[in-house]
Amino acid sequence: DVVITQSPRSLPVTLGQPASISCRSSQSLVYDLNWFQQRPGQSPRRLIYKASNRDSGVPARFSGSGSGTDFTLTISRVEAEDVGVYYCLQAAHWPRTFGQGTKVEIK
Amino acid sequence: QVQLVQSGSELKKPGASVKVSCKASGYIFTSSGMNWVRQAPGQGLEWMGWINTVTGNPTYAQGFTGRFVFSFDTSVSTAYLQISSLKADDTAVYYCARSVSGVDAFDVWGQGTMVTVSS
Repeated sequence: DVVITQSPRSLPVTLGQPASISCRSSQSLVYDLNWFQQRPGQSPRRLIYKASNRDSGVPARFSGSGSGTDFTLTISRVEAEDVGVYYCLQAAHWPRTFGQGTKVEIK
Repeated sequence: QVQLVQSGSELKKPGASVKVSCKASGYIFTSSGMNWVRQAPGQGLEWMGWINTVTGNPTYAQGFTGRFVFSFDTSVSTAYLQISSLKADDTAVYYCARSVSGVDAFDVWGQGTMVTVSS
């Protein structure tokens, strides 16, 4: 199975400051990597598909980059509503696999 | 708008069975497969597998074979997850999510169904 290593696991950030989350894959995904946000008590919401495409309604402060085995989710200026757990998912290989999650909290 | 609405929380005893439903609306049900994802309390997301809503062929991830069955009823645009011989460690929130690949992959999620297994 493709192993996705997500880091960091915990990310305390100051409001208005940038934040970055990394996902590294054990095999090339080309661009088939999606990012999700899960706010407390809610179901996951897709933010980014195919590495860098923002979903409709997702604020422009969220961006995705990368290809192959290294991918990054960046929040340009963190807002209070961004608190939650972020996951990446590879959709290039079977079985589909998620990263372990990164908990974003406000300092 | 595209929406997946799941059935309500379940409390079951060990050894019982449960069937979770996921009703789709806002799109043609057979145009996208349906994934099932498990989230144990305080844990991350785990892909259980998916079902092809055209052929009916299910694919189960390792660890979700034998007691887990994916099915659907096209006439009511609803996918189902059935779990038999429930164990305490089946206690989790179960999500359905549309589409397993392409630009639609996992783009829409149900609200989740909490299944609690306790004697």
